[in-house]
Amino acid sequence: DVKVTQSSRYLVKRTGEKVFLECVQDMDHENMFWYRQDPGLGLRLIYFSYDVKMKEKGDIPEGYSVSREKKERFSLILESASTNQTSMYLCASSPTTWGGNSPLHFGNGTRLTVT
Amino acid sequence: GEDVEQSLFLSVREGDSSVINCTYTDSSSTYLYWYKQEPGAGLQLLTYIFSNMDMKQDQRLTVLLNKKDKHLSLRIADTQTGDSAIYFCAEITLYTGRRALTFGSGTRLQVQP
Repeated sequence: DVKVTQSSRYLVKRTGEKVFLECVQDMDHENMFWYRQDPGLGLRLIYFSYDVKMKEKGDIPEGYSVSREKKERFSLILESASTNQTSMYLCASSPTTWGGNSPLHFGNGTRLTVT
Repeated sequence: GEDVEQSLFLSVREGDSSVINCTYTDSSSTYLYWYKQEPGAGLQLLTYIFSNMDMKQDQRLTVLLNKKDKHLSLRIADTQTGDSAIYFCAEITLYTGRRALTFGSGTRLQVQP
Protein backbone atom coordinates (compact mmCIF):
# COMPACT_ATOMS: atom_id res chain seq x y z
CA ASP A 1 0.00 0.00 0.00
CA VAL A 2 1.31 3.45 -0.92
CA LYS A 3 2.32 5.57 2.02
CA VAL A 4 2.70 9.34 1.73
CA THR A 5 3.96 10.86 4.96
CA GLN A 6 3.87 14.52 5.83
CA SER A 7 6.27 15.25 8.65
CA SER A 8 4.06 17.62 10.64
CA ARG A 9 0.35 17.40 11.36
CA TYR A 10 0.13 20.92 12.77
CA LEU A 11 2.49 23.87 12.48
CA VAL A 12 2.27 27.37 13.92
CA LYS A 13 4.66 29.95 12.48
CA ARG A 14 5.07 33.69 12.68
CA THR A 15 4.72 36.12 9.80
CA GLY A 16 8.01 36.47 7.94
CA GLU A 17 9.43 33.10 9.00
CA LYS A 18 10.82 30.67 6.45
CA VAL A 19 8.75 27.50 6.60
CA PHE A 20 9.53 24.03 5.28
CA LEU A 21 6.82 21.44 4.75
CA GLU A 22 8.19 17.97 4.14
CA CYS A 23 6.65 15.04 2.31
CA VAL A 24 8.04 11.54 1.81
CA GLN A 25 6.61 8.67 -0.24
CA ASP A 26 7.71 5.05 -0.13
CA MET A 27 6.56 3.74 -3.52
CA ASP A 28 9.30 5.03 -5.81
CA HIS A 29 6.80 7.33 -7.53
CA GLU A 30 8.15 9.77 -10.09
CA ASN A 31 5.47 12.43 -9.59
CA MET A 32 4.85 14.42 -6.42
CA PHE A 33 2.40 17.25 -5.83
CA TRP A 34 1.64 19.99 -3.34
CA TYR A 35 -1.92 21.29 -2.94
CA ARG A 36 -3.47 23.66 -0.47
CA GLN A 37 -7.01 23.13 0.75
CA ASP A 38 -9.27 26.00 1.84
CA PRO A 39 -12.98 25.83 2.71
CA GLY A 40 -15.15 26.56 -0.32
CA LEU A 41 -12.14 26.57 -2.65
CA GLY A 42 -11.32 22.88 -2.66
CA LEU A 43 -7.77 21.84 -3.48
CA ARG A 44 -5.57 24.15 -5.50
CA LEU A 45 -2.32 23.00 -7.06
CA ILE A 46 0.77 24.90 -5.93
CA TYR A 47 3.66 23.01 -7.53
CA PHE A 48 4.42 19.54 -8.72
CA SER A 49 7.51 17.59 -9.72
CA TYR A 50 7.82 14.83 -12.30
CA ASP A 51 11.43 13.90 -11.59
CA VAL A 52 14.31 14.68 -9.27
CA LYS A 53 15.30 18.36 -9.51
CA MET A 54 12.36 19.03 -11.87
CA LYS A 55 9.40 21.21 -10.95
CA GLU A 56 6.33 22.61 -12.60
CA LYS A 57 4.15 25.52 -11.47
CA GLY A 58 0.54 24.85 -10.65
CA ASP A 59 -2.26 27.37 -10.33
CA ILE A 60 -1.06 29.30 -7.27
CA PRO A 61 2.79 29.18 -7.06
CA GLU A 62 3.25 32.76 -5.84
CA GLY A 63 4.88 32.92 -2.41
CA TYR A 64 6.04 29.29 -2.58
CA SER A 65 9.01 27.34 -3.85
CA VAL A 66 9.80 23.62 -3.87
CA SER A 67 12.76 21.30 -3.67
CA ARG A 68 13.12 17.74 -4.99
CA GLU A 69 16.68 16.57 -4.31
CA LYS A 70 15.72 12.91 -3.82
CA LYS A 71 13.00 10.93 -5.53
CA GLU A 72 11.14 10.08 -2.34
CA ARG A 73 11.09 13.58 -0.85
CA PHE A 74 9.34 16.75 -1.97
CA SER A 75 9.58 19.89 0.11
CA LEU A 76 7.36 22.96 -0.01
CA ILE A 77 9.03 26.18 1.09
CA LEU A 78 7.38 29.39 2.20
CA GLU A 79 10.19 31.91 1.88
CA SER A 80 8.48 34.51 4.10
CA ALA A 81 5.26 33.22 5.60
CA SER A 82 2.21 35.45 5.51
CA THR A 83 -1.16 35.14 7.22
CA ASN A 84 -2.90 34.40 3.89
CA GLN A 85 -0.85 31.21 3.70
CA THR A 86 -2.68 29.80 6.71
CA SER A 87 -4.20 26.66 5.23
CA MET A 88 -4.21 22.87 5.05
CA TYR A 89 -1.39 21.61 2.82
CA LEU A 90 -1.72 18.23 1.14
CA CYS A 91 1.06 16.29 -0.52
CA ALA A 92 0.39 13.56 -3.10
CA SER A 93 2.40 11.18 -5.27
CA SER A 94 1.76 9.09 -8.35
CA PRO A 95 3.68 6.88 -10.77
CA THR A 96 4.61 8.23 -14.20
CA THR A 97 1.85 6.40 -16.05
CA TRP A 98 -0.98 7.16 -13.68
CA GLY A 99 -4.64 7.05 -14.47
CA GLY A 100 -7.69 4.99 -13.71
CA ASN A 101 -7.26 3.20 -10.44
CA SER A 102 -3.73 4.42 -9.82
CA PRO A 103 -4.05 8.16 -9.65
CA LEU A 104 -2.79 10.44 -6.88
CA HIS A 105 -2.17 9.08 -3.39
CA PHE A 106 -2.44 11.64 -0.62
CA GLY A 107 -0.82 12.24 2.75
CA ASN A 108 -2.92 13.26 5.74
CA GLY A 109 -2.07 16.92 5.45
CA THR A 110 -0.26 19.62 7.42
CA ARG A 111 -2.39 22.32 8.96
CA LEU A 112 -0.28 25.50 8.95
CA THR A 113 -1.25 28.56 10.94
CA VAL A 114 0.68 31.79 10.36
CA THR A 115 0.21 34.39 13.08
CA GLY B 1 -6.05 24.96 -14.38
CA GLU B 2 -9.65 24.57 -15.37
CA ASP B 3 -12.65 25.18 -13.13
CA VAL B 4 -14.46 22.21 -11.66
CA GLU B 5 -17.67 23.15 -9.85
CA GLN B 6 -19.63 21.44 -7.12
CA SER B 7 -22.32 22.49 -4.69
CA LEU B 8 -20.88 22.93 -1.20
CA PHE B 9 -23.31 21.07 1.02
CA LEU B 10 -25.78 18.18 0.95
CA SER B 11 -27.81 16.78 3.83
CA VAL B 12 -29.68 13.46 3.62
CA ARG B 13 -31.30 11.03 6.01
CA GLU B 14 -29.73 7.65 6.71
CA GLY B 15 -31.02 5.06 4.25
CA ASP B 16 -31.81 7.62 1.54
CA SER B 17 -29.82 8.00 -1.68
CA SER B 18 -27.36 10.85 -2.04
CA VAL B 19 -26.53 12.48 -5.35
CA ILE B 20 -23.49 14.72 -5.60
CA ASN B 21 -23.09 16.71 -8.79
CA CYS B 22 -20.07 18.16 -10.55
CA THR B 23 -19.45 20.12 -13.74
CA TYR B 24 -16.05 20.09 -15.34
CA THR B 25 -14.47 21.99 -18.19
CA ASP B 26 -11.74 19.91 -19.83
CA SER B 27 -13.47 17.60 -22.31
CA SER B 28 -10.15 15.91 -23.11
CA SER B 29 -9.75 14.47 -19.61
CA THR B 30 -9.38 10.70 -20.06
CA TYR B 31 -10.52 9.90 -16.54
CA LEU B 32 -12.74 11.64 -14.03
CA TYR B 33 -12.45 10.89 -10.35
CA TRP B 34 -14.31 11.00 -7.08
CA TYR B 35 -12.28 11.33 -3.90
CA LYS B 36 -13.54 11.16 -0.31
CA GLN B 37 -12.08 13.05 2.63
CA GLU B 38 -13.06 12.00 6.13
CA PRO B 39 -12.49 14.42 9.02
CA GLY B 40 -8.81 14.93 9.80
CA ALA B 41 -7.63 12.75 6.93
CA GLY B 42 -6.22 13.11 3.47
CA LEU B 43 -8.10 12.26 0.30
CA GLN B 44 -8.87 8.68 -0.65
CA LEU B 45 -9.83 7.56 -4.13
CA LEU B 46 -13.47 6.48 -4.07
CA THR B 47 -14.08 5.64 -7.71
CA TYR B 48 -13.31 6.80 -11.22
CA ILE B 49 -14.81 6.62 -14.68
CA PHE B 50 -13.15 6.43 -18.06
CA SER B 51 -14.28 9.21 -20.38
CA ASN B 52 -15.78 6.85 -22.98
CA MET B 53 -18.22 5.40 -20.44
CA ASP B 54 -21.63 6.76 -19.48
CA MET B 55 -22.04 4.92 -16.25
CA LYS B 56 -20.07 2.90 -13.74
CA GLN B 57 -21.48 1.00 -10.80
CA ASP B 58 -19.47 -0.21 -7.83
CA GLN B 59 -21.56 -1.67 -5.00
CA ARG B 60 -23.47 1.28 -3.48
CA LEU B 61 -21.80 3.81 -5.77
CA THR B 62 -23.02 4.80 -9.22
CA VAL B 63 -21.15 7.31 -11.36
CA LEU B 64 -22.93 8.95 -14.29
CA LEU B 65 -21.10 10.89 -16.96
CA ASN B 66 -22.74 13.24 -19.46
CA LYS B 67 -19.94 14.34 -21.77
CA LYS B 68 -22.14 16.64 -23.81
CA ASP B 69 -23.00 18.73 -20.76
CA LYS B 70 -19.66 18.02 -19.00
CA HIS B 71 -21.60 16.80 -16.00
CA LEU B 72 -20.51 14.11 -13.57
CA SER B 73 -22.54 12.75 -10.70
CA LEU B 74 -21.99 10.34 -7.82
CA ARG B 75 -24.93 8.49 -6.38
CA ILE B 76 -24.58 6.73 -3.04
CA ALA B 77 -27.38 4.26 -2.38
CA ASP B 78 -28.57 3.51 1.16
CA THR B 79 -26.46 6.31 2.62
CA GLN B 80 -24.97 5.55 6.03
CA THR B 81 -23.64 7.84 8.76
CA GLY B 82 -20.14 6.60 7.87
CA ASP B 83 -20.58 8.22 4.46
CA SER B 84 -20.48 11.65 6.09
CA ALA B 85 -17.43 13.30 4.54
CA ILE B 86 -16.34 15.79 1.90
CA TYR B 87 -16.51 14.49 -1.67
CA PHE B 88 -14.34 15.94 -4.40
CA CYS B 89 -14.61 15.43 -8.12
CA ALA B 90 -11.45 15.84 -10.15
CA GLU B 91 -10.35 15.96 -13.76
CA ILE B 92 -6.96 15.59 -15.39
CA THR B 93 -5.41 18.90 -16.42
CA LEU B 94 -2.30 19.47 -18.51
CA TYR B 95 0.34 21.93 -17.31
CA THR B 96 2.79 22.45 -20.21
CA GLY B 97 2.27 18.82 -21.18
CA ARG B 98 2.47 17.37 -17.66
CA ARG B 99 -0.62 15.97 -15.99
CA ALA B 100 -2.07 16.87 -12.65
CA LEU B 101 -5.53 16.73 -11.11
CA THR B 102 -7.81 19.74 -10.82
CA PHE B 103 -10.33 19.41 -8.02
CA GLY B 104 -13.73 20.88 -7.38
CA SER B 105 -14.53 22.81 -4.23
CA GLY B 106 -15.84 19.70 -2.50
CA THR B 107 -19.35 18.78 -1.35
CA ARG B 108 -19.82 18.20 2.35
CA LEU B 109 -22.26 15.33 2.82
CA GLN B 110 -24.04 15.24 6.16
CA VAL B 111 -26.03 12.10 6.94
CA GLN B 112 -28.72 12.51 9.56
CA PRO B 113 -29.52 9.41 11.64
